[in-house]
Amino acid sequence: QSALTQPASVSGSPGQSITVSCTGTSSDLGNYNLVSWYQQHPGKAPKLMIYEVSERPSGVSDRFSGSKSGNTASLTISGLQAEDEADYYCCSYAGSSNYVVFGGGTKLTVL
Amino acid sequence: QVQLVESGGGVVQPGRSLRLSCAASGFTFSSYGMHWVRQSPGKGLEWVAVVSYDGSDKYYADSVTGRFSISRDNSKNMLYLQMNSLRAEDTAVYYCAREGCCYSDFDYWGQGTLLSVSS
Repeated sequence: QSALTQPASVSGSPGQSITVSCTGTSSDLGNYNLVSWYQQHPGKAPKLMIYEVSERPSGVSDRFSGSKSGNTASLTISGLQAEDEADYYCCSYAGSSNYVVFGGGTKLTVL
Repeated sequence: QVQLVESGGGVVQPGRSLRLSCAASGFTFSSYGMHWVRQSPGKGLEWVAVVSYDGSDKYYADSVTGRFSISRDNSKNMLYLQMNSLRAEDTAVYYCAREGCCYSDFDYWGQGTLLSVSS
């Protein structure tokens, strides 16, 4: 299974908005509206931030939003805060042959 | 509250076997698919395996197919990962995770257990 492609790093200043992209193929991300995003702080377990492309679990700030176009999904964080500094991973269902594939992760730095 | 607690990690020599366990509580375990996801030191997340709510369906990443086996005991609220023919590249923190609604959303994670494969 090939990983989804994410930028290695993004950065932004407090209060700004940033977008993290996640590119897959027509066999995985492009074929299913089953994209999720995870936030991971150092030494901690990942936390689900977005599922089904744009749905937010209960308790996740509405500053986090997701979208998808074709084979690329995006996570947007608005009103950046210091605590948003973390690694972010996208994930997609890939059918019964490969099942689930993750992106390589993006390190968000809040300047 | 939902809790997932992994155990069984440690240091093991290449070629050996080990079984990881994940104790679930705070939810109806038998109603949810369960996954193992791993993370090598300093690296990203890698999906490993899934078992359906009743244990009837199992899927594996190519990297572990034929060596790892996922199973569950719904009477004990336990998830397992039997790992055989271990390799250095299997060194990672192994997380168990509950599948939410839709295959690739993992709504609860354990704290992870570290496996180190080294001679």
